[in-house]
Amino acid sequence: DSGVTQTPKHLITATGQRVTLRCSPRSGDLSVYWYQQSLDQGLQFLIHYYNGEERAKGNILERFSAQQFPDLHSELNLSSLELGDSALYFCASSVAGDSGYSPLHFGNGTRLTVT
Amino acid sequence: AQRVTQPEKLLSVFKGAPVELKCNYSYSGSPELFWYVQYSRQRLQLLLRHISRESIKGFTADLNKGETSFHLKKPFAQEEDSAMYYCALSGYGGSQGNLIFGKGTKLSVKP
Repeated sequence: DSGVTQTPKHLITATGQRVTLRCSPRSGDLSVYWYQQSLDQGLQFLIHYYNGEERAKGNILERFSAQQFPDLHSELNLSSLELGDSALYFCASSVAGDSGYSPLHFGNGTRLTVT
Repeated sequence: AQRVTQPEKLLSVFKGAPVELKCNYSYSGSPELFWYVQYSRQRLQLLLRHISRESIKGFTADLNKGETSFHLKKPFAQEEDSAMYYCALSGYGGSQGNLIFGKGTKLSVKP
């Protein structure tokens, strides 16, 4: 078990709503990454946090935001939801930040369905 | 633009046959390339990192900068190799965790 925990596993909500996805990284990992996996776009990097600070942004919509808390867990907030936001959202963690290398450890994902 | 292309959505081979999963990339600098694998009902996990030049579970991958490719190979496929394979490129701000993924190739190894 990689130790990355994501909650909830499944989420069904309506268009226009707002949801929060939660991620607890592996013990000792300071970096948290969020990815979105959709059928048409595949796996896309959204955002990276290291020790509470935003480090890099990828293809993250303005309606989406994230934060990493002092206990290192992270939340991804999705607002004004649209049908196209339906996807599997993955969190991954690693020890390293901007420099150096350590492998990513992925969670099981949260499946979001917007109806 | 930075891009990873995996041309095959599905690759089906028989047990014992050689396997090659193709990956091509587009990147302006010196790329850092990876192969990730997702077995059925398991999490996405790192299989190979090009800079390590190692063999994992019999798989190898060589970076060919001239052809901008990073194909994954195994001489004799096993049924337990059946999985979804993703090629990935490190991008976005230099951190090696900010990855650009290909859309994946599903490998099916038949008995």
